[in-house]
Amino acid sequence: QVHLVQSGAEVKKPGASVKVSCKASGYTFTAHYIHWVRQAPGQGLEWMAWINPNSGGTNFAQKFQGRVSMGRDTSISTVYMYFNTLRSDDTAVYYCARDGAELASCGGDCYSHFDSWGQGTLVTVSS
Amino acid sequence: EIVMTQSPATLSVSPGERATLFCRASQSVSSNLAWYQQKPGQAPRLLMFGASTRATGIPARFSGSGSGTEFTLTISSLQSEDFAVYYCQQYNNWPPVITFGQGTRLEIK
Repeated sequence: QVHLVQSGAEVKKPGASVKVSCKASGYTFTAHYIHWVRQAPGQGLEWMAWINPNSGGTNFAQKFQGRVSMGRDTSISTVYMYFNTLRSDDTAVYYCARDGAELASCGGDCYSHFDSWGQGTLVTVSS
Repeated sequence: EIVMTQSPATLSVSPGERATLFCRASQSVSSNLAWYQQKPGQAPRLLMFGASTRATGIPARFSGSGSGTEFTLTISSLQSEDFAVYYCQQYNNWPPVITFGQGTRLEIK
């Protein structure tokens, strides 16, 4: 079955950068977008960005443009999220999630609901 | 961006009773609406997509309805494992930004 496994917790100082990985298994890696969603302590869910693992194309929520980037390594079915210039209010659990739309059914570029989620990665930003 | 507003913020219901959760979009999202359940310390779990289609393995006591800007998630007979936080999410094609509601906490009365 579909499985997304994320890298472990991180503690960073303000101004630093972090890389979070998300390894996919159980399906064709290039057939579905991967999204990143974060959740600050005690708060709701916030969509950040998506990546098309086939083309490498990306899209970001406006508040994260310029501070967040993504990449992928198709040989190991892994997506990476890079977050720079961290602030204390970036402290959150970061989730990757698989998009439910199969790209072959929509011309290679579409998004939908999130049908599988990683376990989450806690990123703590503190001096 | 499309703003999703959920109500109520907290809903207190007794086991065995019906719970109805609401989600409103600031503009039409057609049927591009999903619901998720999240329990403490866990990742969210997909319940419904396309406004009314249950995800794999979701019990029939969960049902979704609505289109355009008004949506409802109904749990017909609450079980102990249903007490959690529920989020709606829109994934409309334009603008290409995905947004979540702020969540409804379903608690035991």
